[in-house]
Amino acid sequence: IAGITQAPTSQILAAGRRMTLRCTQDMRHNAMYWYRQDLGLGLRLIHYSNTAGTTGKGEVPDGYSVSRANTDDFPLTLASAVPSQTSVYFCASSDGASGHTGELFFGEGSRLTVL
Amino acid sequence: GQNIDQPTEMTATEGAIVQINCTYQTSGFNGLFWYQQHAGEAPTFLSYNVLDGLEEKGRFSSFLSRSKGYSYLLLKELQMKDSASYLCAVRDSNYQLIWGAGTKLIIKP
Repeated sequence: IAGITQAPTSQILAAGRRMTLRCTQDMRHNAMYWYRQDLGLGLRLIHYSNTAGTTGKGEVPDGYSVSRANTDDFPLTLASAVPSQTSVYFCASSDGASGHTGELFFGEGSRLTVL
Repeated sequence: GQNIDQPTEMTATEGAIVQINCTYQTSGFNGLFWYQQHAGEAPTFLSYNVLDGLEEKGRFSSFLSRSKGYSYLLLKELQMKDSASYLCAVRDSNYQLIWGAGTKLIIKP
C-alpha cells in the first residue's frame, strides 16, 4: 500500500538520550515535512525538505535535525532529548507538481515521551 | 503575526448539519485546506479552496471568502463516524502552511 511509514509508533525516552524518528514514503513526492502536535496547539512545522539534498527550518527547529539523502527517506533526530519534546510527531509529504493542490499526506505518527 | 482561529469544540446531532468556521490572518494567501483527524490517527485531506465560493464534495462542502479572511466547513447528514477534529490550514505567501488548533466535533445520537 502506497503511503508514508513512520517508526517507531511509540517510544519512551530518558532525557539526554539521542533519538531518531524514521520516515519513508513511496509516492515519489518531492517535499517532505516533520510536524509536532501538542494538545491545544496547531500542527507546528519542525523542518522541511523541498527536494532530495535540501532541508529547511520550520517554526520550531531547535533541538532537532533532519537529513534528506534521497527522495524516500526523511529522518528526524533529537540529539539530546528534553521533556519539552514530549509530543506526537507526524511526517508528511506532498507533490509539488503543477496542477496539484499540494495537499499533505501524513504518516501515522510517532508518540514520543521524554522523561 | 499569523493566526488561524477556529472553535475549540462543537456538538451536533446525528443526521443534522453543522458548520465549522475558520478565520485567518496571514502574510499572503495561496489556498486554504481542511483536514479531518480522528483521535489517535493522522490528519487526512478533506478539501481545498483557493478562489472565493463553495466547493462541494459529497456530504462535505467548504466555503471561502478571501476578502473577509473566512472559511467554513459544512457537514451534512452527520454520521457518528464524523466525530473527529477538523483542522483549518492556510498556505501563506511563502507557501508555508499555518495551522489552526482544530475543532473537536462531537456527534450525539
